[in-house]
Amino acid sequence: KNEVEQSPQNLTAQEGEFITINCSYSVGISALHWLQQHPGGGIVSLFMLSSGKKKHGRLIATINIQEKHSSLHITASHPRDSAVYICAVRFNNDMRFGAGTRLTVKP
Amino acid sequence: DVKVTQSSRYLVKRTGEKVFLECVQDMDHENMFWYRQDPGLGLRLIYFSYDVKMKEKGDIPEGYSVSREKKERFSLILESASTNQTSMYLCASTSSGSADTQYFGPGTRLTVL
Repeated sequence: KNEVEQSPQNLTAQEGEFITINCSYSVGISALHWLQQHPGGGIVSLFMLSSGKKKHGRLIATINIQEKHSSLHITASHPRDSAVYICAVRFNNDMRFGAGTRLTVKP
Repeated sequence: DVKVTQSSRYLVKRTGEKVFLECVQDMDHENMFWYRQDPGLGLRLIYFSYDVKMKEKGDIPEGYSVSREKKERFSLILESASTNQTSMYLCASTSSGSADTQYFGPGTRLTVL
């Protein structure tokens, strides 16, 4: 069983739509990361959360430690948001990754 | 500007060859990681190192070894490459704080023929 579960696996949206990607985990963590991977392979760290909520531009990430759940929201989605979004949790010195959510935003 | 670099973006090797993948970070980070990424499987940890000359097996260490002789450099070694090691390999580093951003290299796409 994967310790980090993401949903949905694939998501197609129209430009302008509000997007939500979910992440649930089963281990005690010190931090949760949301990563973005564009075609070509480069991975960028979007957020690191240990509690509450963070916002950066059109991106919002929330975490509920008690429920072991995090969400990544994208407001007013744009085709350039098309990428794979990966949830990762850190405990001790180790990292565990979700399988990723492939987002396609159509113009 | 923080940076994690990997020695090659694309690499093609033959079955049985010894392959070295190198990763260098300039952030004085203690922890360094090697992952492979395959379609449908996401990122899987091969090995990580939390200090010079220290290493720990990840989820899928079989067929791989690592070397960390200097703090800034973490090498992944395929002793005898096999076709099932064709994959995207990603290196990452982070400091030893309990919650810190993990920085990724650009990745090396390895093809073993």
